[in-house]
Amino acid sequence: AQTVTQSQPEMSVQEAETVTLSCTYDTSESDYYLFWYKQPPSRQMILVIRQEAYKQQNATENRFSVNFQKAAKSFSLKISDSQLGDAAMYFCAYRLASGGTYKYIFGTGTRLKVLA
Amino acid sequence: EAGVAQSPRYKIIEKRQSVAFWCNPISGHATLYWYQQILGQGPKLLIQFQNNGVVDDSQLPKDRFSAERLKGVDSTLKIQPAKLEDSAVYLCASSSTPGGSVGYEQYFGPGTRLTVT
Repeated sequence: AQTVTQSQPEMSVQEAETVTLSCTYDTSESDYYLFWYKQPPSRQMILVIRQEAYKQQNATENRFSVNFQKAAKSFSLKISDSQLGDAAMYFCAYRLASGGTYKYIFGTGTRLKVLA
Repeated sequence: EAGVAQSPRYKIIEKRQSVAFWCNPISGHATLYWYQQILGQGPKLLIQFQNNGVVDDSQLPKDRFSAERLKGVDSTLKIQPAKLEDSAVYLCASSSTPGGSVGYEQYFGPGTRLTVT
């Protein structure tokens, strides 16, 4: 069974500094996607970044980048130049195509605090 | 492009009462998900529809929860009767199917915060 583990319940970072959020997953599949979602206090979950498992190159979206280690089943999120608006819950998610549909599995989340 | 719509945004009910939530997915998305998110936890899948058929409802408490997606578009999730432990945010999300052309991420609605007293 696929599982997603986020071992850091809470992290803090100073404004303008860099922080890395950890995520590990377990799967026997070779073709899948990984995502990081952000959920601010307003509750709407939004996509931050995605990574296709067949791509070796790490995904980057502006200040957000990932370190994808397929063999180690690790998928960490790096936030550079942290801003106050980055404060939120961050969820790592794994997606598998199965039976003509997509199934998503979420981690338990990491609460990121940004200190001014 | 309109996002996933949900209503109501907030609901307060007493235990043993019934409640219903509504969701309208992004146009063209065949797959619709209902999640329960208890404070401080990740989303837990309750039920997943593809068009108007159920793909996965293994974690849906069927003695009190029900959901339908008539005509394969919008969906309703009902709780009857509600218990104190049902207090949570109920998130609706939608996505395309493998090979679909309308994006391929999962998009979430704003959620409904349910408080059972």
